[in-house]
Amino acid sequence: QKEVEQDPGPLSVPEGAIVSLNCTYSNSAFQYFMWYRQYSRKGPELLMYTYSSGNKEDGRFTAQVDKSSKYISLFIRDSQPSDSATYLCAREGNTPLVFGKGTRLSVIA
Amino acid sequence: EADIYQTPRYLVIGTGKKITLECSQTMGHDKMYWYQQDPGMELHLIHYSYGVNSTEKGDLSSESTVSRIRTEHFPLTLESARPSHTSQYLCASSKQGADYNEQFFGPGTRLTVL
Repeated sequence: QKEVEQDPGPLSVPEGAIVSLNCTYSNSAFQYFMWYRQYSRKGPELLMYTYSSGNKEDGRFTAQVDKSSKYISLFIRDSQPSDSATYLCAREGNTPLVFGKGTRLSVIA
Repeated sequence: EADIYQTPRYLVIGTGKKITLECSQTMGHDKMYWYQQDPGMELHLIHYSYGVNSTEKGDLSSESTVSRIRTEHFPLTLESARPSHTSQYLCASSKQGADYNEQFFGPGTRLTVL
């Protein structure tokens, strides 16, 4: 089992929709969880990080960690065409970051 | 914008050639990484370094080698390029001792081996 599992999609939604992106992880020892965004032909960039359980909000984006179910979520409200990208979840630990496969999102105007 | 640079951005080369992909960062980060990513596919960690003279292999077996003689520089070398090496190579760096390991990525080198 991979340490971080993520549905690769693709996911296509209309502009203005609420998007939910999800990952599961296997090791309870992980402390930090991150979401990276990667536009086509570019390197990933950090979008949000969360520590332990709970929610973190930044504008239209909310990151959520549920440690009891080992579930990581990213919610995008009022999605825009500029949100079209691949979103990768990642876990932090004592070794290099482990990334999920990434979910490709398209927001259609 | 992150201060991490990769050259060349695009490289088309014949089979059997030796190539070096350059990666430099000006942020003073101790940790540096190389990833391989095919179009639309997941990131695979191939090498990483936690400081000068420290290098480790990543999760994906790779025929490439790396060196870390200077903090800011982390080149990747393929002694004999093959078509199976065709891919995008992404370099990243992060700060030692930070609360969380934000990695800053370069723009990537798109390699095509004919």
